[in-house]
Amino acid sequence: EDKVVQSPLSLVVHEGDTVTLNCSYEVTNFRSLLWYKQEKKAPTFLFMLTSSGIEKKSGRLSSILDKKELFSILNITATQTGDSAIYLCAVSWDNYGQNFVFGPGTRLSVLP
Amino acid sequence: DSGVTQTPKHLITATGQRVTLRCSPRSGDLSVYWYQQSLDQGLQFLIQYYNGEERAKGNILERFSAQQFPDLHSELNLSSLELGDSALYFCASSVFGDRRETQYFGPGTRLLVL
Repeated sequence: EDKVVQSPLSLVVHEGDTVTLNCSYEVTNFRSLLWYKQEKKAPTFLFMLTSSGIEKKSGRLSSILDKKELFSILNITATQTGDSAIYLCAVSWDNYGQNFVFGPGTRLSVLP
Repeated sequence: DSGVTQTPKHLITATGQRVTLRCSPRSGDLSVYWYQQSLDQGLQFLIQYYNGEERAKGNILERFSAQQFPDLHSELNLSSLELGDSALYFCASSVFGDRRETQYFGPGTRLLVL
């Protein structure tokens, strides 16, 4: 059965801390791994990773994929209260379209 | 604002009923995706359309159906509703429906089945 596991499920830190969120997966015919940030409502896209070992960065956020060990990490440095959200990891497979399975998410709370 | 619109924002209905959720993709996007997010199941991919044709199917129940119209808007039909169908339903869109593209999510329709 295809599945995506995220850890931790919940994390509380203080502003300025650095956090690492984990996502591991077991899917057949892996195509890509995606990270989303979900605040109050709709998820917003952060990163899409398809190749191992290539770090993607956007400001204080970065992510990397290890296709051999079947996991990805999302790093957030110098956290701010605005980083408080649920971070979702999703893995796609499918030769043609984009069939996805999502992990349960990590709820990050950044305290002032 | 992602440019994806969904109506209605909230919907309250009774078990056994049928509802239709509507989604308008971003201008220029040809592909629409539907997702269901519930507390116990998390976010689940339901179905994808590209330019009017079904492209990928996820965990969509037989009681649910969707279509994409020539003007590219999409509707998700939920019938014989059960309490467990209560969830937030998201629509997302992308230009070509390719796995390398970013999907832009709409604000969601919150469905409550009583």
